[in-house]
Amino acid sequence: DADVTQTPRNRITKTGKRIMLECSQTKGHDRMYWYRQDPGLGLRLIYYSFDVKDINKGEISDGYSVSRQAQAKFSLSLESAIPNQTALYFCATSGGQGQDEQYFGPGTRLTVT
Amino acid sequence: GDSVTQMEGPVTLSEEAFLTINCTYTATGYPSLFWYVQYPGEGLQLLLKATKADDKGSNKGFEATYRKETTSFHLEKGSVQVSDSAVYFCALSDYSGTSYGKLTFGQGTILTVHP
Repeated sequence: DADVTQTPRNRITKTGKRIMLECSQTKGHDRMYWYRQDPGLGLRLIYYSFDVKDINKGEISDGYSVSRQAQAKFSLSLESAIPNQTALYFCATSGGQGQDEQYFGPGTRLTVT
Repeated sequence: GDSVTQMEGPVTLSEEAFLTINCTYTATGYPSLFWYVQYPGEGLQLLLKATKADDKGSNKGFEATYRKETTSFHLEKGSVQVSDSAVYFCALSDYSGTSYGKLTFGQGTILTVHP
């Protein structure tokens, strides 16, 4: 089984709808991250969490919110989706200082019409 | 703040050709450096890493050397295969300033290898 899972894998929604993307990990890592990927722009950090009680904004947090329900679960919400939030969204985890590499989920392709 | 710049793609090569993808960085502190690979339809996978100056990371025939004097971490492979076709991302992790503990990515380089 995959160490980092994301649901759904694909989603089409309409402008103004609320949508939640979910991420679960079995690696036992404290740190979790949400990124979006757009063509030619690499990955940009939306939110990150270094433990259950720690939530931080990344470089592009406007229009997004997150919830860290447990060490293993980190959800991303779009409160009112807009078309320019159409992108590929990735969740990632890492073990913390000294273990910098991040482990990525398979991604969620979100289309907002 | 920290930044990573990769050579622009796409890069198209024939099988068995030599590959170089350039990566340079700016960082406040002493970062760790990474190359990630994204195969079509998949998430990113760590390809190799280096944590201090002059370290060489290697995996699957790919190599990159951490060059502090030129702030570079270029990816190389002596003989590419069709299966190496993917998007390659250079990234750094810095524990200084506002980048503490986060990855900063380059924009990615698309590699296509033809038989």
